[in-house]
Amino acid sequence: GAGVSQSPSNKVTEKGKDVELRCDPISGHTALYWYRQSLGQGLEFLIYFQGNSAPDKSGLPSDRFSAERTGGSVSTLTIQRTQQEDSAVYLCASSPATNEKLFFGSGTQLSVL
Amino acid sequence: QKEVEQNSGPLSVPEGAIASLNCTYSDRGSQSFFWYRQYSGKSPELIMSIYSNGDKEDGRFTAQLNKASQYVSLLIRDSQPSDSATYLCAVNGQAGTALIFGKGTTLSVSS
Repeated sequence: GAGVSQSPSNKVTEKGKDVELRCDPISGHTALYWYRQSLGQGLEFLIYFQGNSAPDKSGLPSDRFSAERTGGSVSTLTIQRTQQEDSAVYLCASSPATNEKLFFGSGTQLSVL
Repeated sequence: QKEVEQNSGPLSVPEGAIASLNCTYSDRGSQSFFWYRQYSGKSPELIMSIYSNGDKEDGRFTAQLNKASQYVSLLIRDSQPSDSATYLCAVNGQAGTALIFGKGTTLSVSS
């Protein structure tokens, strides 16, 4: 693919519902990140996958958040029992290796009503 | 908790001036340092990367790194209105660790 692809681009949900956000990284990139950006704020680190290593989940804000990466490629971020404070843009990025340039997707705008 | 600190701004400079953006980080073992630019409503894009002490120049941009002071900066020469954006500092710790971003500095260049 040409770049990092995220879907959906926009998601509106009701409080208490579960949502799944998808990220399709650039082929061959071993590193994959999820970040969250609230309006006017910086990038909040959520989770990091690097090859076959155990993911770094230290940024996940609560146990309602989880993520997986299947076959070293596509990743899904799941938010259970969504709350209004979960409203933000969720950005996925991939990189060919650790400590190298990140390529960002266009993000998913999540709105929890 | 590894931290990356930036002055949120806004930093306002006139067209043609030098804009200086600063960043400090808490993890003394950090190895890789990046500056990303983010236009409103868009995703971040990489401007500069720097890995060793000193200056690194690319066109109108110069990144400066001082590991002893845990300080990294970005200079933009001959600032243009199109440089108006939020500039994000990002730092990698030890190999294999996550890239942590600062909250960003908003730059406004007036014509």
